[in-house]
Amino acid sequence: GIQVEQSPPDLILQEGANSTLRCNFSDSVNNLQWFHQNPWGQLINLFYIPSGTKQNGRLSATTVATERYSLLYISSSQTTDSGVYFCAANSNSGYALNFGKGTSLLVTP
Amino acid sequence: NAGVTQTPKFQVLKTGQSMTLQCAQDMNHNSMYWYRQDPGMGLRLIYYSASEGTTDKGEVPNGYNVSRLNKREFSLRLESAAPSQTSVYFCASRRGGYTFGSGTRLTVV
Repeated sequence: GIQVEQSPPDLILQEGANSTLRCNFSDSVNNLQWFHQNPWGQLINLFYIPSGTKQNGRLSATTVATERYSLLYISSSQTTDSGVYFCAANSNSGYALNFGKGTSLLVTP
Repeated sequence: NAGVTQTPKFQVLKTGQSMTLQCAQDMNHNSMYWYRQDPGMGLRLIYYSASEGTTDKGEVPNGYNVSRLNKREFSLRLESAAPSQTSVYFCASRRGGYTFGSGTRLTVV
């Protein structure tokens, strides 16, 4: 199946800082999503973004499908942004949504 | 609009006991999925149902069975629980992007 790799694995930011999370994938995709898993374990869908660029408030994401990577930008980070960010993708030939191992983000006051 | 609803939220089982995790979605999606999440890892697919009446194995199906009861409901059954099945279980449905339920935290002692 499709391989999904995320970097960095861990990130500590001071409140107000900006960050970029990266996701590389090994095959053509028909679905790519970014999720935020909050400290209570809930998986919140941030973006459905198999290609192109989207923005939602302080968050934005870009997927360059031809180069097989996606980026999640967090601007003016807040303590509530803490948690684990997962990238997940379906290949064009696959049935499963494959997850990366996540980026664990801690935003300190 | 509830999305994907899972029950129960928490469960403790003794080794050898059986139980069924329930999942229902109200978005009229054809595809439904069961994933498990172990500490420090992304989600892994257990079983999926591409449409009502069909089910298929995912990456980690051993020890589990599923039933697609109707278009809305997809249940996961542990016939004889083992400590290795201690995990957090997520149900999801899909049209385009995936929507996840809030999870069931299962402990097998």
